[in-house]
Amino acid sequence: AQTVTQSQPEMSVQEAETVTLSCTYDTSESDYYLFWYKQPPSRQMILVIRQEAYKQQNATENRFSVNFQKAAKSFSLKISDSQLGDAAMYFCAYLRGSQGNLIFGKGTKLSVKP
Amino acid sequence: EAQVTQNPRYLITVTGKKLTVTCSQNMNHEYMSWYRQDPGLGLRQIYYSMNVEVTDKGDVPEGYKVSRKEKRNFPLILESPSPNQTSLYFCASSLNGYGYTFGSGTRLTVV
Repeated sequence: AQTVTQSQPEMSVQEAETVTLSCTYDTSESDYYLFWYKQPPSRQMILVIRQEAYKQQNATENRFSVNFQKAAKSFSLKISDSQLGDAAMYFCAYLRGSQGNLIFGKGTKLSVKP
Repeated sequence: EAQVTQNPRYLITVTGKKLTVTCSQNMNHEYMSWYRQDPGLGLRQIYYSMNVEVTDKGDVPEGYKVSRKEKRNFPLILESPSPNQTSLYFCASSLNGYGYTFGSGTRLTVV
């Protein structure tokens, strides 16, 4: 069975600095997608970034980028120039092919210090 | 506006009293799912549907029912709620299964 592990329950970063959130996953599939979702205190689930496993290039969305290491089954999220609004729970998620089953990690709570 | 709408946002109920949480999407999405979120456990899938009249169990289906009679609606039914079903529930939809839009969540408390 596929699993997603986020080993950092909580992280803290100074405003304007860079932070990296870790995620590893376990799968025997070759075709899959990986996601990072942000959940602010409003509890809304917001898609931050998506990576297709067949793409070697790491995905980037403005200040958010990933380091996707397929062989190591690692999918970390880097947030550059951290802002107060980045404070939230961050969930890493795995999607197997097109079966529609998103498997989530347990989350990392990110605090941003002014 | 494209969205997934869940109702109610908050619900307090008593053990054994049947309830339904509604979910509706206006994006003509094929895929719909229900998740529950518990502290320290992340989100876990309850049921999902890949099309009308096609539903399947997720990781934690016990105590829940779903139906998909129309493409836009995917209600979650708790026939006899118990306190261990106290949780935050999310409905989500996707056009092709590759990227999900989530509803705003339903905070359910069973006493």
